[in-house]
Amino acid sequence: QLQLQESGPGLVKPSETLSLTCTVSGGSVSSSSYFWGWIRQPPGKGLEWIGTIYYSGTTHYNPSLKSRVTISVDTSKNNFSLKLTSVTAADTAVYYCAREAVADNCFDPWGQGTLVTVSS
Amino acid sequence: QSVLTQPASVSGSPGQSITLSCTGTSSDVGSFNLVSWYQQHPGKAPKLMIYEVSKRPSGVANRFSGSKSGNTASLTISGLQAEDEADYYCCSYAGSSTHVVFGGGTRLTVL
Repeated sequence: QLQLQESGPGLVKPSETLSLTCTVSGGSVSSSSYFWGWIRQPPGKGLEWIGTIYYSGTTHYNPSLKSRVTISVDTSKNNFSLKLTSVTAADTAVYYCAREAVADNCFDPWGQGTLVTVSS
Repeated sequence: QSVLTQPASVSGSPGQSITLSCTGTSSDVGSFNLVSWYQQHPGKAPKLMIYEVSKRPSGVANRFSGSKSGNTASLTISGLQAEDEADYYCCSYAGSSTHVVFGGGTRLTVL
Protein backbone atom coordinates (compact mmCIF):
# COMPACT_ATOMS: atom_id res chain seq x y z
CA GLN A 1 0.00 0.00 0.00
CA LEU A 2 1.51 3.28 -1.10
CA GLN A 3 2.09 5.84 1.63
CA LEU A 4 3.44 9.37 1.52
CA GLN A 5 4.85 11.31 4.46
CA GLU A 6 5.73 14.99 4.52
CA SER A 7 8.58 16.25 6.67
CA GLY A 8 10.24 19.57 7.33
CA PRO A 9 10.25 22.60 9.63
CA GLY A 10 6.91 23.68 11.01
CA LEU A 11 8.00 27.29 11.41
CA VAL A 12 9.69 29.46 8.82
CA LYS A 13 10.62 33.13 9.11
CA PRO A 14 9.29 35.69 6.63
CA SER A 15 11.50 36.16 3.54
CA GLU A 16 13.19 32.80 4.12
CA THR A 17 12.80 29.55 2.17
CA LEU A 18 10.28 26.86 3.03
CA SER A 19 11.65 23.36 2.42
CA LEU A 20 9.67 20.13 2.65
CA THR A 21 10.32 16.54 1.66
CA CYS A 22 7.82 13.83 0.84
CA THR A 23 9.02 10.28 1.43
CA VAL A 24 7.27 7.56 -0.53
CA SER A 25 6.93 4.02 0.80
CA GLY A 26 5.24 0.99 -0.72
CA GLY A 27 5.94 2.25 -4.23
CA SER A 28 8.53 3.97 -6.38
CA VAL A 29 8.82 7.59 -7.48
CA SER A 30 10.45 6.17 -10.62
CA SER A 31 7.15 4.76 -11.88
CA SER A 32 6.35 5.98 -15.38
CA SER A 33 2.63 6.04 -14.57
CA TYR A 34 2.69 8.80 -12.00
CA PHE A 35 3.59 12.36 -11.26
CA TRP A 36 4.32 13.49 -7.70
CA GLY A 37 2.66 16.68 -6.50
CA TRP A 38 2.42 19.29 -3.80
CA ILE A 39 -0.87 20.89 -2.75
CA ARG A 40 -1.42 23.37 0.07
CA GLN A 41 -4.36 24.54 2.14
CA PRO A 42 -4.26 27.78 4.16
CA PRO A 43 -6.13 27.55 7.47
CA GLY A 44 -9.88 27.58 6.84
CA LYS A 45 -9.46 27.84 3.07
CA GLY A 46 -9.47 25.64 0.01
CA LEU A 47 -6.89 23.53 -1.78
CA GLU A 48 -4.26 25.11 -4.01
CA TRP A 49 -2.12 23.07 -6.37
CA ILE A 50 1.54 24.10 -6.09
CA GLY A 51 3.29 21.89 -8.59
CA THR A 52 4.09 18.43 -9.86
CA ILE A 53 7.18 16.49 -10.91
CA TYR A 54 7.81 13.41 -13.02
CA TYR A 55 10.59 10.97 -12.18
CA SER A 56 12.56 12.30 -15.14
CA GLY A 57 12.64 15.71 -13.51
CA THR A 58 10.00 17.33 -15.71
CA THR A 59 8.02 19.83 -13.66
CA HIS A 60 4.75 21.72 -13.86
CA TYR A 61 4.13 24.69 -11.57
CA ASN A 62 1.15 26.80 -10.62
CA PRO A 63 1.65 30.00 -12.65
CA SER A 64 0.88 32.13 -9.59
CA LEU A 65 3.73 30.52 -7.61
CA LYS A 66 6.12 29.61 -10.40
CA SER A 67 8.68 32.33 -9.69
CA ARG A 68 9.17 31.08 -6.12
CA VAL A 69 8.78 27.30 -6.40
CA THR A 70 11.23 24.51 -7.10
CA ILE A 71 10.24 20.84 -6.94
CA SER A 72 12.89 18.15 -7.24
CA VAL A 73 12.94 14.36 -7.10
CA ASP A 74 15.53 12.00 -5.64
CA THR A 75 14.98 8.54 -7.07
CA SER A 76 17.80 7.05 -4.98
CA LYS A 77 16.04 8.11 -1.77
CA ASN A 78 12.53 7.58 -3.18
CA ASN A 79 11.42 11.05 -2.23
CA PHE A 80 10.63 14.43 -3.73
CA SER A 81 10.99 17.91 -2.32
CA LEU A 82 9.47 21.37 -2.36
CA LYS A 83 11.24 24.68 -1.97
CA LEU A 84 9.29 27.92 -1.75
CA THR A 85 11.35 31.09 -1.51
CA SER A 86 10.63 34.52 -0.05
CA VAL A 87 7.76 33.31 2.09
CA THR A 88 5.22 35.58 3.75
CA ALA A 89 2.38 34.98 6.18
CA ALA A 90 0.19 34.19 3.16
CA ASP A 91 2.21 31.00 2.68
CA THR A 92 1.10 29.65 6.05
CA ALA A 93 -0.77 26.46 5.23
CA VAL A 94 -1.02 22.73 5.57
CA TYR A 95 1.19 21.32 2.83
CA TYR A 96 0.22 17.98 1.32
CA CYS A 97 2.14 15.73 -1.02
CA ALA A 98 0.24 13.35 -3.26
CA ARG A 99 0.65 10.95 -6.15
CA GLU A 100 -0.89 12.15 -9.41
CA ALA A 101 -1.80 9.68 -12.12
CA VAL A 102 -0.37 10.57 -15.55
CA ALA A 103 -3.42 9.06 -17.26
CA ASP A 104 -6.05 11.12 -15.50
CA ASN A 105 -4.36 13.75 -13.31
CA CYS A 106 -6.16 12.68 -10.15
CA PHE A 107 -4.40 12.80 -6.79
CA ASP A 108 -4.38 9.58 -4.80
CA PRO A 109 -3.21 8.86 -2.21
CA TRP A 110 -2.31 11.93 -0.17
CA GLY A 111 0.10 12.36 2.70
CA GLN A 112 -1.31 13.35 6.06
CA GLY A 113 -0.18 16.95 5.57
CA THR A 114 2.15 19.16 7.57
CA LEU A 115 1.39 22.62 8.91
CA VAL A 116 3.96 25.25 8.05
CA THR A 117 3.62 28.58 9.80
CA VAL A 118 5.42 31.67 8.51
CA SER A 119 6.19 33.94 11.43
CA SER A 120 9.09 35.77 12.98
CA GLN B 1 -9.84 33.18 -6.07
CA SER B 2 -10.17 29.60 -7.28
CA VAL B 3 -10.29 28.85 -10.99
CA LEU B 4 -13.19 26.40 -10.68
CA THR B 5 -16.36 27.73 -9.06
CA GLN B 6 -18.16 25.71 -6.42
CA PRO B 7 -21.03 26.79 -4.16
CA ALA B 8 -19.74 27.56 -0.69
CA SER B 9 -22.27 25.38 1.06
CA VAL B 10 -24.98 22.83 0.42
CA SER B 11 -27.18 20.98 2.88
CA GLY B 12 -29.46 18.01 2.82
CA SER B 13 -31.31 15.60 5.06
CA PRO B 14 -30.40 11.96 5.61
CA GLY B 15 -31.64 9.79 2.78
CA GLN B 16 -31.91 12.68 0.33
CA SER B 17 -29.91 13.14 -2.85
CA ILE B 18 -27.84 16.26 -3.37
CA THR B 19 -25.76 17.53 -6.27
CA LEU B 20 -22.64 19.64 -5.98
CA SER B 21 -21.59 21.70 -8.97
CA CYS B 22 -18.18 22.70 -10.27
CA THR B 23 -18.08 25.30 -13.02
CA GLY B 24 -14.99 25.91 -15.08
CA THR B 25 -14.31 27.08 -18.60
CA SER B 26 -13.67 25.72 -22.07
CA SER B 27 -9.97 25.64 -21.12
CA ASP B 28 -10.38 23.12 -18.33
CA VAL B 29 -13.63 21.29 -17.45
CA GLY B 30 -15.10 21.85 -20.89
CA SER B 31 -12.09 20.52 -22.79
CA PHE B 32 -11.09 17.45 -20.84
CA ASN B 33 -12.87 14.51 -19.24
CA LEU B 34 -10.35 14.72 -16.42
CA VAL B 35 -12.39 16.01 -13.52
CA SER B 36 -11.85 14.51 -10.09
CA TRP B 37 -13.63 15.03 -6.78
CA TYR B 38 -12.21 14.89 -3.26
CA GLN B 39 -13.87 14.55 0.14
CA GLN B 40 -12.17 16.15 3.13
CA HIS B 41 -13.24 15.70 6.72
CA PRO B 42 -11.98 18.23 9.31
CA GLY B 43 -8.32 17.77 10.11
CA LYS B 44 -7.90 15.02 7.54
CA ALA B 45 -6.26 14.75 4.16
CA PRO B 46 -8.49 14.84 1.07
CA LYS B 47 -9.74 11.51 -0.26
CA LEU B 48 -10.33 10.76 -3.94
CA MET B 49 -14.00 10.02 -4.58
CA ILE B 50 -14.42 10.35 -8.37
CA TYR B 51 -11.95 10.53 -11.26
CA GLU B 52 -12.29 10.95 -15.02
CA VAL B 53 -15.64 12.69 -14.43
CA SER B 54 -17.59 9.61 -13.38
CA LYS B 55 -15.32 6.75 -12.32
CA ARG B 56 -15.26 5.55 -8.72
CA PRO B 57 -12.09 4.21 -7.08
CA SER B 58 -12.48 0.87 -5.37
CA GLY B 59 -13.85 1.29 -1.89
CA VAL B 60 -15.93 4.38 -2.64
CA ALA B 61 -19.63 3.83 -2.11
CA ASN B 62 -21.78 3.70 -5.24
CA ARG B 63 -23.91 6.43 -3.65
CA PHE B 64 -21.33 8.79 -5.12
CA SER B 65 -21.57 9.54 -8.83
CA GLY B 66 -20.16 12.14 -11.17
CA SER B 67 -21.15 13.71 -14.46
CA LYS B 68 -20.32 16.62 -16.72
CA SER B 69 -22.17 18.90 -19.09
CA GLY B 70 -20.28 21.53 -20.98
CA ASN B 71 -18.12 23.53 -18.59
CA THR B 72 -19.84 22.23 -15.45
CA ALA B 73 -19.08 19.02 -13.60
CA SER B 74 -21.33 17.61 -10.90
CA LEU B 75 -21.03 15.25 -7.96
CA THR B 76 -24.23 13.57 -6.82
CA ILE B 77 -24.56 11.87 -3.48
CA SER B 78 -27.65 9.72 -3.11
CA GLY B 79 -29.02 8.34 0.15
CA LEU B 80 -27.24 11.02 2.12
CA GLN B 81 -25.65 9.81 5.35
CA ALA B 82 -24.30 11.68 8.36
CA GLU B 83 -20.76 10.54 7.50
CA ASP B 84 -21.00 12.37 4.16
CA GLU B 85 -20.80 15.70 5.98
CA ALA B 86 -17.48 17.12 4.78
CA ASP B 87 -15.87 19.55 2.37
CA TYR B 88 -15.83 18.54 -1.29
CA TYR B 89 -13.36 19.82 -3.88
CA CYS B 90 -13.33 19.40 -7.62
CA CYS B 91 -10.19 19.39 -9.72
CA SER B 92 -9.67 19.49 -13.47
CA TYR B 93 -6.81 19.08 -15.87
CA ALA B 94 -6.33 22.40 -17.64
CA GLY B 95 -3.81 21.76 -20.38
CA SER B 96 -0.05 21.56 -20.48
CA SER B 97 0.69 25.11 -19.40
CA THR B 98 -1.65 25.29 -16.39
CA HIS B 99 -1.73 21.56 -15.63
CA VAL B 100 -4.44 21.29 -12.95
CA VAL B 101 -6.82 23.62 -11.14
CA PHE B 102 -8.95 23.15 -8.03
CA GLY B 103 -12.30 24.52 -7.05
CA GLY B 104 -12.83 26.55 -3.91
CA GLY B 105 -14.71 23.72 -2.21
CA THR B 106 -18.26 23.10 -1.01
CA ARG B 107 -19.14 22.41 2.61
CA LEU B 108 -21.84 19.76 2.75
CA THR B 109 -23.99 19.76 5.87
CA VAL B 110 -26.23 16.81 6.68
CA LEU B 111 -29.15 18.20 8.64
